[in-house]
Amino acid sequence: GAVVSQHPSRVICKSGTSVKIECRSLDFQATTMFWYRQFPKKSLMLMATSNEGSKATYEQGVEKDKFLINHASLTLSTLTVTSAHPEDSSFYICSAANRGQETQYFGPGTRLLVL
Amino acid sequence: KQEVTQIPAALSVPEGENLVLNCSFTDSAIYNLQWFRQDPGKGLTSLLLIQSSQREQTSGRLNASLDKSSGRSTLYIAASQPGDSATYLCAACGAGSYQLTFGKGTKLSVIP
Repeated sequence: GAVVSQHPSRVICKSGTSVKIECRSLDFQATTMFWYRQFPKKSLMLMATSNEGSKATYEQGVEKDKFLINHASLTLSTLTVTSAHPEDSSFYICSAANRGQETQYFGPGTRLLVL
Repeated sequence: KQEVTQIPAALSVPEGENLVLNCSFTDSAIYNLQWFRQDPGKGLTSLLLIQSSQREQTSGRLNASLDKSSGRSTLYIAASQPGDSATYLCAACGAGSYQLTFGKGTKLSVIP
């Protein structure tokens, strides 16, 4: 149990386009989802925390209008990279947790390459 | 398919003690091995990242080692403090896929 999926696993897009990444909790309700980004040879960095039904909380330095996060249901959160640029190329990973549960479950990640 | 195992699942130590957390992985074709700290209700905090070509990394009281051939990594914490209490996760980054496979974590409690 406690499986989190991400889709797509890899995406290549042209500069200026928008890309949506989905994070789904497959067998539990995720009241909180976290989005992380990892640049090559760097550690994972938390981008934002989203609670179902409310606005996401972004970490310092992360542009809200650039990385749109929607957490409209208890099993799905989406991250949309708007007007993507090559510097947005990175590895994006989500995790999900249920209220009252301290364990987070992680998705396998999405590799984004912006040309 | 990569599998990551962390032992022990939970550990309780008195303050000041040195301790070692263990992580093993089944597929040695990794890009890097990462250690994270997870506090309840919070996002991950990255602690150390060891590239596949490296043997160890150090940051303050933390030292992580990597033995790719045996599929093992350890996280050594010196002079533990109550503030170190958290869940520690290791994750193997697959070479080529760059996907992270996480262990289930070791929950550490440092008793004052």
